[in-house]
Amino acid sequence: GAVVSQHPSWVICKSGTSVKIECRSLDFQATTMFWYRQFPKQSLMLMATSNEGSKATYEQGVEKDKFLINHASLTLSTLTVTSAHPEDSSFYICSARDQETEGYSAKNIQYFGAGTRLSVL
Amino acid sequence: SQELEQSPQSLIVQEGKNLTINCTSSKTLYGLYWYKQKYGEGLIFLMMLQKGGEEKSHEKITAKLDEKKQQSSLHITASQPSHAGIYLCGADHKAAGNKLTFGGGTRVLVKP
Repeated sequence: GAVVSQHPSWVICKSGTSVKIECRSLDFQATTMFWYRQFPKQSLMLMATSNEGSKATYEQGVEKDKFLINHASLTLSTLTVTSAHPEDSSFYICSARDQETEGYSAKNIQYFGAGTRLSVL
Repeated sequence: SQELEQSPQSLIVQEGKNLTINCTSSKTLYGLYWYKQKYGEGLIFLMMLQKGGEEKSHEKITAKLDEKKQQSSLHITASQPSHAGIYLCGADHKAAGNKLTFGGGTRVLVKP
């Protein structure tokens, strides 16, 4: 299966600092990547859709100035949590969409990174 | 999400027993994706279903999508400790396939 690498896996930072998380598709090109947030014992909440070469599309309620997304190449998207505060502490997961086709039907499978656990002190 | 209901929320099974997880959508599905997550880790892709009545199997895991394309089930035969984890269904409700809506997840524990 396709491999998505997410880095770092764990980060601790002081309140007010910024943290950058990288998401790379290692063996396929991804024009679209996604950023999710997951709270303990809850499902994934989509934060934004990252499109290569264009602006990200944010979900309702997600602050675009707080969570900066850059998708500069077909294999790399970054999420920067700016001026992080304790309430931003969470598990952040990225995925990359592999748009392989099967006949006339696109499979659009999202492959996920291992996640980044952010703790803001 | 109310668009996608997953049941049960948790499941404890004896090793060797079968188990079934259900995923029901309020809207017709364009695609239904099953993933497995271990605590604190990313999601591992299991299977994807698109056609009404479709059924796919991989090792001891079988996933089905009903004819109306609104309900899917994931069945594990003769469960093993390695099957423990959180199973999530993800729904693609639009033909464009850009976003997935995830169910609440089913936490599976296999007792040896």
